[in-house]
Parts: sequence; structure tokens; C-alpha cells
Amino acid sequence: EVQLVESGGGLVQPGGSLRLSCAASGFTFSSYWMSWVRQAPGKGLEWVANIKQDGSEKYYVDSVKGRFTISRDNAKNSLYLQMNSLRAEDTAVYYCARVQTREDDDGIAVAPFDYWGQGTLVTVSS
Amino acid sequence: QSALTQPRSVSGSPGQSVTISCTGTSSDVGGYNYVSWYQQHPGKAPKLMIYDVSKRPSGVPDRFSGSKSGNTASLTISGLQAEDEADYYCCSYAGSYKNVFGTGTKVTVL
Repeated sequence: EVQLVESGGGLVQPGGSLRLSCAASGFTFSSYWMSWVRQAPGKGLEWVANIKQDGSEKYYVDSVKGRFTISRDNAKNSLYLQMNSLRAEDTAVYYCARVQTREDDDGIAVAPFDYWGQGTLVTVSS
Repeated sequence: QSALTQPRSVSGSPGQSVTISCTGTSSDVGGYNYVSWYQQHPGKAPKLMIYDVSKRPSGVPDRFSGSKSGNTASLTISGLQAEDEADYYCCSYAGSYKNVFGTGTKVTVL
């Protein structure tokens, strides 16, 4: 059974840092792209970042570029999100998700998100 | 990277059909056949309901179906049931290894 368990959320002051973790089990972690998706309180889902199987390629939504870093440790079956220079608007539940890939004439497409964790809440407030 | 546009809410009586639209651009919905739909009940994680525009993962009832025309994708729930009451989000691949979600639609079963 595929399981994704996030941890590391909490209350942090504006400008502060936090590192989220996601422990994966039930599948060959090193064979999949992985993602972070967030949801602000009462708001919709927002894709945050994708990382390739070996960690060599990383992609971010513009609003977090330069502040957040996605990484992974395939030996530990773990995904991470290092969040720096946090702002009030980063307050959200952060979900770890496994993502499938598709290959066609245009190359590789990263979609859909087939398994999700339960999420961890990050609150940025003074 | 603007969010895809969905209606804020739709509603229907048990047994009826409802359709949720998801409008993007030629850079996302219109450019790729990689639209997916997610169901989210309050306080729960999203669940994949449709992928690649119209495919259903194992275990998803065939009451759920997807389609796409141009820059607009749609999710139809036929034979609406009480347990279908939830928020629904579309998502599209947007090129360059990035994704974009829709604004979300609340489905109410009357």
C-alpha cells in the first residue's frame, strides 16, 4: 500500500525557515517524480514544486522560486521542502504527492498526482 | 501560471447529473491531454478521480467521466449520490515540468 506521511509543519515567524519531510513507503520511491502541493486555509490547491527521480531536476511555481528548495534522499525514501524567507501568504497545508509521468512526441509530461499524503500545516505569523 | 477557471459551485439532486467546467489556455489545458480531476472532502487529502482527460483510476465509479474541447475540460458526475458532495479541482500539465490547478468547485447534493 502506497503511503506518504508528511511532518515538520508548525508556527514560524515571517522571515523564518522551516523544513518539511515526507516519508514514502509501499512503492519504489526512486522510480517516481515527486511533488509538493499546498492549500491555504479555505482556498484551493496550488502546485509548489516537482523533483525528478534522481533529484537532478527541480521545478517551482514562481511565487516560491529562490525561497523554497525541494530535495530527496532515495536511500531514506524521503522527500523534503526547505522553506526560507517565509511570508504570511505561505500559510497553508502542504501535501506531498507522488506524480506519474507521460512520454509523448513533445517529451516527458509530469502528471497526474496519483497518491497524496495527509498534509502538514505551516502557519507563518508573528 | 494563472489558475484554471472553475465555477465556484454547482448543485444537483440525487440521481441527477452535474458538469464542472475547467477553462485554461492553449499553454495548459488546450496544449496537452493531461488534465486530471481531484475530489476533496473537508479535512481530507485530495483523491485522483480522472486523469489524462478521461481515464478513471481503478476503484473510481464510472459515474465520473471527463472530456475536453479546446481550452476547456469538463468533469461530469452522473447519478449524483450524497457521498459525491465535496470540492473538485482540475489540474493540467502546463509544460516545462510544471502543473497548474483550477480554482475549485463545491458540489452540493440537494
